[in-house]
Amino acid sequence: GESVGLHLPTLSVQEGDNSIINCAYSNSASDYFIWYKQESGKGPQFIIDIRSNMDKRQGQRVTVLLNKTVKHLSLQIAATQPGDSAVYFCAENPNNAGNMLTFGGGTRLMVKP
Amino acid sequence: KAGVTQTPRYLIKTRGQQVTLSCSPISGHRSVSWYQQTPGQGLQFLFEYFSETQRNKGNFPGRFSGRQFSNSRSEMNVSTLELGDSALYLCASSPGPTFNEQFFGPGTRLTVL
Repeated sequence: GESVGLHLPTLSVQEGDNSIINCAYSNSASDYFIWYKQESGKGPQFIIDIRSNMDKRQGQRVTVLLNKTVKHLSLQIAATQPGDSAVYFCAENPNNAGNMLTFGGGTRLMVKP
Repeated sequence: KAGVTQTPRYLIKTRGQQVTLSCSPISGHRSVSWYQQTPGQGLQFLFEYFSETQRNKGNFPGRFSGRQFSNSRSEMNVSTLELGDSALYLCASSPGPTFNEQFFGPGTRLTVL
């Protein structure tokens, strides 16, 4: 079943290319930023996170960049695969807000074989 | 280690009824957060429970309530259902009171007719 918005921005890439998904966050006091991947009919799945005292963090095939000056977050996926097709959300955890997350609107990534 | 489980997975109710959704967090996790996901509003935070106490609450009417039990399992209740309450309700589990990581369950798809 559907799990995300009907009018999400969509990024279409060729298999094997690199993907860059961008997100603007709202709260300059946020301490923690996370990228989630959501496939149809499933809950969001953790991809990678970054704390506000960092500007770059790398995982397996993924890199997150944080620019606090312009409140911008990006997710880079190297060698994009068909299994990467999903909706990607950025989320922020405001300082002193316990485990509350504020989510961005999401970007749909479509990988063409 | 088992993930976050939510029951039921699908639910159909009519306007005016009430509904109770259940969430079992990851073993050892003491914080449970609830989110509502709709095509129009995206992912929105409902509330968070830690050690049986509500710590944070989102901007939802009082018809939305929740609780947490001593074994960290949580329930949320929606009374006097409205058509606009149709959504995917997601439960997320975190280890402790301050943000470190958050894992989502598959969600409960609620349809209000």
